Amino acid sequence: SQTIHQWPATLVQPVGSPLSLECTVEGTSNPNLYWYRQAAGRGLQLLFYSVGIGQISSEVPQNLSASRPQDRQFILSSKKLLLSDSGFYLCAWSIAGDQPQHFGDGTRLSIL
Amino acid sequence: AQSVTQLDSQVPVFEEAPVELRCNYSSSVSVYLFWYVQYPNQGLQLLLKYLSGSTLVKGINGFEAEFNKSQTSFHLRKPSVHISDTAEYFCAVSAPSGGYNKLIFGAGTRLAVHP
Repeated sequence: SQTIHQWPATLVQPVGSPLSLECTVEGTSNPNLYWYRQAAGRGLQLLFYSVGIGQISSEVPQNLSASRPQDRQFILSSKKLLLSDSGFYLCAWSIAGDQPQHFGDGTRLSIL
Repeated sequence: AQSVTQLDSQVPVFEEAPVELRCNYSSSVSVYLFWYVQYPNQGLQLLLKYLSGSTLVKGINGFEAEFNKSQTSFHLRKPSVHISDTAEYFCAVSAPSGGYNKLIFGAGTRLAVHP
């Protein structure tokens, strides 16, 4: 069966520090991969999605970037974190764009 | 452009009472519809999906939803809720965008079940 792993579960970082969040999927090939941010008490905002290795689409201009170095690995990065980058970050995968997405357990990022 | 509206931000209900969480969508094309549940500090879990076929869809944990094309709605229902159903519920629609299909999520409905 397919599983998705996301780490770390929680992270506290100072303003201006770099960021790297990792997500890996097991049990499937060539999945669509997604990064979302959920601000406190808010819905989900799609940040990036990828339909293949090296193919990244950005949904909103921001201080973050994404990379897909391997088929089932999706990384969210930042060179310098801002206070506004705080939130709950979720990675997800699907077999196709119109199919259900399956989510990881999320990373709660706090910026001090 | 496609959009999803969850009409209630919060729904309080007593244990063993029925509940309906409302979701309306707008789309100019055929859509796929989904309901997800999110427990505190966790990711989203798929409750049910409508892709085609019967308009009444049954999901996990005793939930069901009915697709109504004329009213562009996909309301979620449960005949008798438990304390453990307390969570955030998200409605989503699959929408084409930039040559790909993506999920558009509603803002969520917080279901609070009281003893």
